Amino acid sequence: DAGITQSPRHKVTETGTPVTLRCHQTENHRYMYWYRQDPGHGLRLIHYSYGVKDTDKGEVSDGYSVSRSKTEDFLLTLESATSSQTSVYFCASQGDNQPQHFGDGTRLSIL
Amino acid sequence: AQSVTQLDSHVSVSEGTPVLLRCNYSSSYSPSLFWYVQHPNKGLQLLLKYTSAATLVKGINGFEAEFKKSETSFHLTKPSAHMSDAAEYFCVVSIHGSSNTGKLIFGQGTTLQVKP
Repeated sequence: DAGITQSPRHKVTETGTPVTLRCHQTENHRYMYWYRQDPGHGLRLIHYSYGVKDTDKGEVSDGYSVSRSKTEDFLLTLESATSSQTSVYFCASQGDNQPQHFGDGTRLSIL
Repeated sequence: AQSVTQLDSHVSVSEGTPVLLRCNYSSSYSPSLFWYVQHPNKGLQLLLKYTSAATLVKGINGFEAEFKKSETSFHLTKPSAHMSDAAEYFCVVSIHGSSNTGKLIFGQGTTLQVKP
């Protein structure tokens, strides 16, 4: 499996605070993705990146921003967390002509 | 537009009996289709993928899936369930029918329970 690590693995925070989740991959993959997983919805794409400093919105991007300053790191930021953003967040990376490989997820609770 | 529907939210089988997890898709393009498995508190692992080669696709751990264009289906099967197969399974279609440009659409998931 691709070396993908997400940090933190668990986080509890309060409404209105900023939160940054980190995804780190060691495979030099060009593409990286952030998803959220909620009951009854499968995984939904938040943002994705197709290269350093090249990002685009996914299906549920409102309230989220991303940055990719290095190939190996893709950061997801909640500028002002809301309770509706309580979820499990998954990062994935993908090389050319390869399927996506997923991290183990970050469980985020916003009180 | 692409979409995917998993027809069962929960499937329960006895150990040693066959597994069938059903998936229908909708795609404007010749689709790329995938099955992923998720064990508790873990990320998603790729079981198999279809990318317009053979219609019967073999994956890991004895799973296979058959692409049926006339039925727009991509059902996942396994001849004999093991206890370790208990997990959540996702059927996935790739936007634009490409397997290498990302943007996946996930089904809602099917929880597979395996009884001893």
